[in-house]
Amino acid sequence: QKEVEQDPGPLSVPEGAIVSLNCTYSNSAFQYFMWYRQYSRKGPELLMYTYSSGNKEDGRFTAQVDKSSKYISLFIRDSQPSDSATYLCAMRVNTGFQKLVFGTGTRLLVSP
Amino acid sequence: DGGITQSPKYLFRKEGQNVTLSCEQNLNHDAMYWYRQDPGQGLRLIYYSQIVNDFQKGDIAEGYSVSREKKESFPLTVTSAQKNPTAFYLCASTDRAGEQFFGPGTRLTVL
Repeated sequence: QKEVEQDPGPLSVPEGAIVSLNCTYSNSAFQYFMWYRQYSRKGPELLMYTYSSGNKEDGRFTAQVDKSSKYISLFIRDSQPSDSATYLCAMRVNTGFQKLVFGTGTRLLVSP
Repeated sequence: DGGITQSPKYLFRKEGQNVTLSCEQNLNHDAMYWYRQDPGQGLRLIYYSQIVNDFQKGDIAEGYSVSREKKESFPLTVTSAQKNPTAFYLCASTDRAGEQFFGPGTRLTVL
């Protein structure tokens, strides 16, 4: 079993829809959680960075962490065609060395 | 502009040849990383360096080598011992808050 599981998709939605992207994990020691957006043939771009459980909002994006269920989510409101990309979750334990464990990514397609 | 640069964007290697991928950052970050990305496998850590003149093997270091002579630079050499080097290579660095930032990547293809 992988430490971090993420549905590869693709997830296809119409423009304006609310998108929910999810990851589950097995290591209860993970404390820091990240979401990256990666366009085709580009490097990942950090979208959200959260610590422990709870919600964090930034514009149209909301990151949610449920440590009791070992489950994290990224919600995108009013999705746009420009949101079409692969979304990677990543997480790490609270140590001095920031080694990240990544999900395999979910491909999102937003159609006009 | 602060950021991470990688060069070249595309690289072609012949069988048995060593090639070096460049990674430079002007973010004043101490820690730097190299990842390999293959379809359906996510990012896998090759090597990382927390400070100058020190580096550690990641999960898939065989067939790769690195150096860290300067804080700004962390080049990766893909040696002929790497049997399946065709992949997208990503360099990253981490700030003191633990946020990890990536470069634009180098796509390596073996001919």
